Amino acid sequence: GAVVSQHPSWVICKSGTSVKIECRSLDFQATTMFWYRQFPKQSLMLMATSNEGSKATYEQGVEKDKFLINHASLTLSTLTVTSAHPEDSSFYICSARDYRVVSTEAFFGQGTRLTVV
Amino acid sequence: AQTVTQSQPEMSVQEAETVTLSCTYDTSESDYYLFWYKQPPSRQMILVIRQEAYKQQNATENRFSVNFQKAAKSFSLKISDSQLGDAAMYFCASASKGNQFYFGTGTSLTVIP
Repeated sequence: GAVVSQHPSWVICKSGTSVKIECRSLDFQATTMFWYRQFPKQSLMLMATSNEGSKATYEQGVEKDKFLINHASLTLSTLTVTSAHPEDSSFYICSARDYRVVSTEAFFGQGTRLTVV
Repeated sequence: AQTVTQSQPEMSVQEAETVTLSCTYDTSESDYYLFWYKQPPSRQMILVIRQEAYKQQNATENRFSVNFQKAAKSFSLKISDSQLGDAAMYFCASASKGNQFYFGTGTSLTVIP
């Protein structure tokens, strides 16, 4: 299957700093990327959907100024957590789809564990 | 919008036995797809099986099969000959073509040696 690479797999940052998480589709064109947040033993909560070359669509309750998403190319999307606080500590997962392909499967990155101290 | 419900937070099965995980969904879409994803301790999401809603035949992938009841909006996963490596969180999900996935709350499966 297609591969989605997410980097870094874990990061620790100081409160007030910004952290960037990258999500790359390695062998297909990701026309749409999704960013999820997952708390321990809970389901994936969709934060935003981004389409290549356009602004991301954020879910209700997600601060767009805090969680900056850029999807500038068909193979790369980034999530930047700005002015991070301890409550932003979580597991973040990206997934990518190419809706032009018949298959509707989404491919997931390995996830990033963010700890804000 | 679509909703997915998994009513079993935890399940356990004896190694080599069979277990069924339940999932119900609700959607207003006419063209949609259903999935089961596995999330082991590594937290990498792994596709287990996929079902196109327009297909009446239940999908099967080796030891994994589904019981898709479209009228009842039910999509259960059966794992046969359970193995220790099957221990994980299992998420049921639905999606319409090109759109976001909707995930259930997950079922934690324990395999007892």
